[in-house]
Amino acid sequence: NAGVMQNPRHLVRRRGQEARLRCSPMKGHSHVYWYRQLPEEGLKFMVYLQKENIIDESGMPKERFSAEFPKEGPSILRIQQVVRGDSAAYFCASSPERRGMNTEAFFGQGTRLTVV
Amino acid sequence: KQEVTQIPAALSVPEGENLVLNCSFTDSAIYNLQWFRQDPGKGLTSLLLIQSSQREQTSGRLNASLDKSSGRSTLYIAASQPGDSATYLCAVITSGTYKYIFGTGTRLKVLA
Repeated sequence: NAGVMQNPRHLVRRRGQEARLRCSPMKGHSHVYWYRQLPEEGLKFMVYLQKENIIDESGMPKERFSAEFPKEGPSILRIQQVVRGDSAAYFCASSPERRGMNTEAFFGQGTRLTVV
Repeated sequence: KQEVTQIPAALSVPEGENLVLNCSFTDSAIYNLQWFRQDPGKGLTSLLLIQSSQREQTSGRLNASLDKSSGRSTLYIAASQPGDSATYLCAVITSGTYKYIFGTGTRLKVLA
């Protein structure tokens, strides 16, 4: 059972371009979470999705960022018109059900976005 | 609002030492607390998960304790090795939510 798979591992974009980050959850997991780690900062929650639904996007910047988790295929975090401040590591996590006392989320290796 | 603090921010020790990393959180109503390891440029590796009803968990040379009432957890590493060098992150899930709230980590360096 493969773990949470993120790709690409490294992504370089010029200012103004679009970045698409992909996350394939662990088999059997239907909940996906995205976190961002800015340089020298802790990981911050961005968005929580279930299949075809955004449950909580309270941590997402209001502009340029969007996320989806379609019925088929990976979850996508999309950043339009990237700026240098978007440079960060973006981590995806998945869990098999709504978080509770006996579940934990499993994290991918992250995508490191560099905006030049 | 839940806040997680980790001290020290950085730690350098000689090989073989036993050491303690500290994590404190402001809201004691948590589902669980989890310790992760992060190597430079890499992802997160889960080390130990402590559920709110538990007081400690052990895995090999690692032991994590949880004191909900005081809002504290410690990660104890016995007989440290250079391979233990990494950043150690503490994260909590507050009751009624599903978000990890992370501390900023302790950067550990174990010298050979």
